Amino acid sequence: EPEVTQTPSHQVTQMGQEVILRCVPISNHLYFYWYRQILGQKVEFLVSFYNNEISEKSEIFDDQFSVERPDGSNFTLKIRSTKLEDSAMYFCASSVGETQYFGPGTRLLVL
Amino acid sequence: QKEVEQDPGPLSVPEGAIVSLNCTYSNSAFQYFMWYRQYSRKGPELLMYTYSSGNKEDGRFTAQVDKSSKYISLFIRDSQPSDSATYLCASIGDDKIIFGKGTRLHILP
Repeated sequence: EPEVTQTPSHQVTQMGQEVILRCVPISNHLYFYWYRQILGQKVEFLVSFYNNEISEKSEIFDDQFSVERPDGSNFTLKIRSTKLEDSAMYFCASSVGETQYFGPGTRLLVL
Repeated sequence: QKEVEQDPGPLSVPEGAIVSLNCTYSNSAFQYFMWYRQYSRKGPELLMYTYSSGNKEDGRFTAQVDKSSKYISLFIRDSQPSDSATYLCASIGDDKIIFGKGTRLHILP
């Protein structure tokens, strides 16, 4: 069964450093999403992406964040200058209709 | 205003019992409702998906939506220890999923 994959599974970085989180959505899906989940809190929407552009973003998704689909398979989330409060699980999701399928997540720890 | 609310639990029930998980939502325009299961350190996994009001059954799981009261329920029959996880209710609003905080469920052997 096709699934969304994410790399790395864990990332530790120093505050102020740039990180890139990678996702490979399900191959025939057209819509892509990033969510994050701070430990003990709810899963929060960050951004949705369709047709090579952002279709919607939340207040969390400020200028420090960017997304890109550099080729036909990868979907990346870049955080330019990480802050301590960026420490969270980051989930990628993809969909072809209303149902979104999530990857296993990348656990980001900013020190 | 919190759009999807859910009691975080934890909820502990003995193996074999019927589990009832509930959420409320505030936006009457919501039409699609989902239940996700999330094991520790894993991504949310879609369990059930319903449109508008009514019931939907899949094996041991039944999802129920009552739009008049803005109430979403998930019932698990014959609960198993492997059902122990966090259950997230969610709805779709403005092209994004809005999650509840999740209810931690423990099935006691």
